[in-house]
This record gives sequence, structure tokens and C-alpha cells, in this order.
Amino acid sequence: EVQVVESGGGLIQPGGSLRLSCAASGFTVSSTYMNWVRQAPGKGLEWVSVTHVDGRTDFADSVKGRFIISRDNSRNTLYLQMNSLRVVDTAVYYCARGYTGSNFDAFDVWGQGTMVTVSS
Amino acid sequence: DIPMTQSPSSLSASVGDRVTITCRASQSVYSYLNWYQHKPGKAPKLLIYGASSLQSGVPLRFSGSGSGTEFTLTIESLQPEDFATYYCQESYSHPDYTFGQGTKLEIK
Repeated sequence: EVQVVESGGGLIQPGGSLRLSCAASGFTVSSTYMNWVRQAPGKGLEWVSVTHVDGRTDFADSVKGRFIISRDNSRNTLYLQMNSLRVVDTAVYYCARGYTGSNFDAFDVWGQGTMVTVSS
Repeated sequence: DIPMTQSPSSLSASVGDRVTITCRASQSVYSYLNWYQHKPGKAPKLLIYGASSLQSGVPLRFSGSGSGTEFTLTIESLQPEDFATYYCQESYSHPDYTFGQGTKLEIK
């Protein structure tokens, strides 16, 4: 079965760091682009970061310079290292697989998310 | 990024109803438009990609249409399991694929 499972969320003080993991099964994380998307309480979905097949990475302006996305192909796992966390980073964080074709681009496999709460 | 606006923000409907949700882009995204269904505590689910292509396993009562700046998601004959929040997403302005603000579909 193709699936992703996130872990690593929790309660962290402002300014702290946390690393999220996304374990994939049924496919290899190195074979497509992989994303992190978040949903703050009572808000909609917000794209956070992507790692491409060639290793390039991109970030939303709101997290640029603070978050790092990486993958471990041997563990088939995607990571999100979150540094200098702010209260506004409080959200459920989802891992999502990229699905692309000649005239489309979408996120076709999502996990159930892991909650990150930034609070003093 | 390309701001996306969904309407309505919320909608009450009954089982068996036909429902349409609209998504407007601030500039053309051609056919790079996706629709997702999201239930509380669950993984978001891809319904429609490329504006009108039905994702594998998604019931035929879901359909998408449109191109450029205006798109619609239609659900024919609502079923109890369809009550959820629906999001559009443009996938033209790589890599920042903006989501709409969501449409919450509730039981009347």
C-alpha cells in the first residue's frame, strides 16, 4: 500500500527546534518531489516546502531561512527540520507526495499529519 | 504566488443534492488546478487534478471543470460521506502552489 506517516510533532517553546519525519511505504521518496503542507488551527492549507528529485529545495517565504527539508533515501523518509520556531508556526504538518504529468501537477498521497504547538 | 478565492466559504446541503463550488484565480493558471477533500483528523484526499481529471478511486459523482481563472467542482447526488471541507489548489506557480481558503460543506 502506498502511504506516508508523519511523526515528531509536539509542544515546543518559541525559539526552539523540532524535526518532523515522514516515513514512506509503497514507493520511494527519491522517485518524485515531496512536500510539506501545514494547517494552522481554524485555517486552511498552506504549502511549506518541497524537495525535488534532483535535490533542489524550495520554501514558503514564511519559513525561508528557518526550515530545512531533506530526505534519507536509505530510510525512505522525508524530514523537516524546523528552527527558530514561532507561535505562528503552530499547525498540523502534512507530508504529501508530488504527482506530475505533462499538463498537471498535484499532491496525490498525504499523511494524517503531526501536530506542532509552539507556546511558552 | 497566485491568490485563489473559493466561494462560498460554507454551504449547507442535503443528501441527494447537487452542489457546486467555485474557485477563481487572480491570474490564469491554465488547467493547473486541483481539488482536495479534507475531513477533520484525516489526510487530505486528491479528488480532481488538471482541472477535470478524476483521481483513481474517486466516485464519478465528483467532477471538475474550467480553465484560465475560473473553475468549478460539482458533486452530484451528495452522499453522507461527502460532508467535508473542499480546497482548490493552483499548481502553475511552481513551487508555491497556493490553496484556496476552503469551502466547508455541512449537512442541512
